Order: sequence, then structure tokens, then C-alpha cells
Amino acid sequence: KQEVTQIPAALSVPEGENLVLNCSFTDSAIYNLQWFRQDPGKGLTSLLLIQSSQREQTSGRLNASLDKSSGRSTLYIAASQPGDSATYLCAVGSGNNRKLIWGLGTSLAVNP
Amino acid sequence: EAGVAQSPRYKIIEKRQSVAFWCNPISGHATLYWYQQILGQGPKLLIQFQNNGVVDDSQLPKDRFSAERLKGVDSTLKIQPAKLEDSAVYLCASSLAGALGETQYFGPGTRLLVL
Repeated sequence: KQEVTQIPAALSVPEGENLVLNCSFTDSAIYNLQWFRQDPGKGLTSLLLIQSSQREQTSGRLNASLDKSSGRSTLYIAASQPGDSATYLCAVGSGNNRKLIWGLGTSLAVNP
Repeated sequence: EAGVAQSPRYKIIEKRQSVAFWCNPISGHATLYWYQQILGQGPKLLIQFQNNGVVDDSQLPKDRFSAERLKGVDSTLKIQPAKLEDSAVYLCASSLAGALGETQYFGPGTRLLVL
């Protein structure tokens, strides 16, 4: 059974820091991995989608890596800003039924 | 391009009452998903439609939850009767074809509080 874990559960950093959020999964047989952002009271926004054949994806200040063999993904945020404050969720596409298996998220606070 | 629309945004009801949520997916998206997200947890898939057919409803509590997508476009999710533990955010998402590796686009969600 696929399980997704995100560490840390919460993170508070001063503005301008580079930071790394971690996601691990127990079954390496995935077809993709996605990072989402969720703002309070709002839905989910897809940030980056990494297919199983890819090693990383980049969008602006965000870079996500995928290491299937070790069951890990990292989301790197460069030069963090207060507007980056949100919950970041990792979801793994796994299984024949194509379900997304979700982590519990990392709550990020970037302080001015 | 308009995103996924959901209504209402907030709903407060008493236990044993009924409630319905509405979702309009992105135009042209064949696949529609309803998720339940309890505070502090990741989203849980309740039901997945491909056009107007059900692909997966294995985690839908069918004794009280129902969903339909009659014309393969918008969808309604109903809870009847509601329980306290149904308090959550109900998220609707859509994707183009439901294919492997495809991005899902989420609506803003409906926040339900059952008293």
C-alpha cells in the first residue's frame, strides 16, 4: 500500500532564505508525482508535475526533484517571499486505478 | 480560461440535515473528481467520473453520499443525512482525459460545518 510522508509538518523561515521541503513514498512504482500549494480557505494549485521518467522540473523559483529508487522528492524554493506562505502538498500517482496518494502537507510561513 | 467553479463556498448545517454541492469543471475536461479534505489531512478521493460514468467510487460512503454527472459536464455531490464527521472541505477537480500523468485542476472548495 502506497504511503506518502512529508517532512517537516511545519516550517517558519525569514524572508530570503532558500528552503527544501521533503516528500517520501513507500512504493517506487509510481507514474508521476505532483507538488501542490494550498492557501487557507482556497483550493489546491498544481505547482509542478514530474513524470516517472523525469528527474526534475523547474518553474520560476521552484525546483522539484524525483528519485524513484529511494522513494523521495524534494521541493526547493529559492529566495523565499512572504507570499510563499501556504501549505505545500505532495501527491503521488500510483496504482492501476490512477489514484493520487497524498501527504499531509508542510505548512510554510515566510516571515518578512 | 475559466477554472473549476464550485458553490456554495461555505455551508453550515445541523446533523441529520441534507446538503448538496455543485461543481462545474473546466470546459472540455472529461474527468471530474470529488475529494473530501478533513482539517490537517490530505484530500481523500470520494468519486471519479469519466464523462457521465463512474470510474471509481470505492471510498464514497454510499449510505449517505451520492453524486451525479448526468450530462457529463457539471456535477452535484449530496450528503443525506449529514453527520458531525462530515465537516470538511469538499474539493472538486477536473482533468482533460483522466490519463496517466495528467494534471488535475482544483476548484476553491466548499467548506462544510456540521453542528
